[in-house]
Amino acid sequence: QLQLQESGPGLVKPSETLSLTCTVSGGSISSSSYYWGWIRQPPGKGLEWIGSIYYSGSTYYNPSLKSRVTISVDTSKNQFSLKLSSVTAADTAVYYCARQAIMITFGGVIAIDYWGQGTLVTVSS
Amino acid sequence: DIQMTQSPSSLSASVGDRVTITCRASQSISSYLNWYQQKPGKAPKLLIYAASSLQSGVPSRFSGSGSGTDFTLTISSLQPEDFATYYCQQSYSPFTFGPGTKVDIK
Repeated sequence: QLQLQESGPGLVKPSETLSLTCTVSGGSISSSSYYWGWIRQPPGKGLEWIGSIYYSGSTYYNPSLKSRVTISVDTSKNQFSLKLSSVTAADTAVYYCARQAIMITFGGVIAIDYWGQGTLVTVSS
Repeated sequence: DIQMTQSPSSLSASVGDRVTITCRASQSISSYLNWYQQKPGKAPKLLIYAASSLQSGVPSRFSGSGSGTDFTLTISSLQPEDFATYYCQQSYSPFTFGPGTKVDIK
């Protein structure tokens, strides 16, 4: 059974960089059938896609966050990571890592079929 | 950017009711539309992908339809475990979630 686990600091100071890592177990991050992504959810609010990475290193970012986001992958450790720079209180959220399956037989629709449990990151001094 | 809207934003229903949630895209997204269910304190769960395909393990009372800009999620007979928030999400260019529809007990 595939599992994803987020790890990283739960408290980040304003203007600093938020860093999270997602460790994938029960499956390979190097599969050509998936993207690996980050989604966040501010307390009491909806879901926001942050960005995604393919095992080759190709990345896709939310345009509204692109200038501050870097997602990277380490296939040797079966991990991928998120860095979000210059954080403010508005970046306080539960951050989820997720697997995005490419449904080839459905025209390439991409759906999030596995999620981590989520980790709350609070931006505060 | 493709914007997603959902209606209603919330609804109250009883066990056994038929529930329909609508999702609209700001431009055509073909069938690149997924639906998720989220319960408090939990990660979302994939229900429907490609507008109308039921994810493995999801009860058949859930169904999806639509293409282009207008989509619906239907729960044919609401069960106690279905009270949750439902999100649509487009994967046409690149990914955007709708604002969610909260289904609670009447």
